[in-house]
Amino acid sequence: NAGVTQTPKFQVLKTGQSMTLQCAQDMNHEYMSWYRQDPGMGLRLIHYSVGAGITDQGEVPNGYNVSRSTTEDFPLRLLSAAPSQTSVYFCASSYSTQANTEAFFGQGTRLTVV
Amino acid sequence: GESVGLHLPTLSVQEGDNSIINCAYSNSASDYFIWYKQESGKGPQFIIDIRSNMDKRQGQRVTVLLNKTVKHLSLQIAATQPGDSAVYFCAETSPTGANSKLTFGKGITLSVRP
Repeated sequence: NAGVTQTPKFQVLKTGQSMTLQCAQDMNHEYMSWYRQDPGMGLRLIHYSVGAGITDQGEVPNGYNVSRSTTEDFPLRLLSAAPSQTSVYFCASSYSTQANTEAFFGQGTRLTVV
Repeated sequence: GESVGLHLPTLSVQEGDNSIINCAYSNSASDYFIWYKQESGKGPQFIIDIRSNMDKRQGQRVTVLLNKTVKHLSLQIAATQPGDSAVYFCAETSPTGANSKLTFGKGITLSVRP
C-alpha cells in the first residue's frame, strides 16, 4: 500500500518557470489537500479538494492552481515560479467527510526557486 | 486573527523521562484536535487526536489532554525514547471545516538526550 506519493522529491526552478507537483493516493480518499511548510512555521494550506471535480482555496492560494479530475490524483501547478515559493510542499489525503479522521501525508517535495 | 500556536520552540528531555508538549488555540469553535510528529525529511505523521467532547485520550505511551476553558492542548509522552526526537505539531479544525482544512501550529522540536 503506497499511501500518498509525491513526485518529484526535489526540484530547482528558475524564476518564471512553471511546473506541476504530482500527488497520488491509492486509498480511495475523498479529501486531498496541499500544504507548504516554511522554516519556523507550521504547515499552511494552499488548496484542497473534497472530491473529484471540486477544489477550493486555502490560506495561501496565490500563484498556485489545482485540479481534481480523478479521486486518486491532485496535482499542484506553479504558474510562474517566484523565489517566495521556495518551500517544502506536502500533499495529504483523508477518507471521511467528518472532521475526525486521520490525514495521511506524502513525503514532501522540496522546491527551490532561484 | 485566530491561530493555533505552541509556547516553546524547543524541548530537550532526558531519555526515559516524560515529555510534555503544550499548545494553545484561539478558535473557540474548534472541535477536533490532532497531534502530528514530523521526522527530518518526512511528512507529518498522525500521533493521536481528541474531540472537544473529551478532556483526555490515551494511546500507546502518549496522552492528549484538552482544556477547553483555557483553550489549551497538551501531548504527554511517557518514557521518552531517542526515536521520539522530532518536530511536533498541534492542529485543529472547526465544525464547519473538514480534515482537509487543518490549521497547524508552528511546531516544537523535541530533542531526547541519551
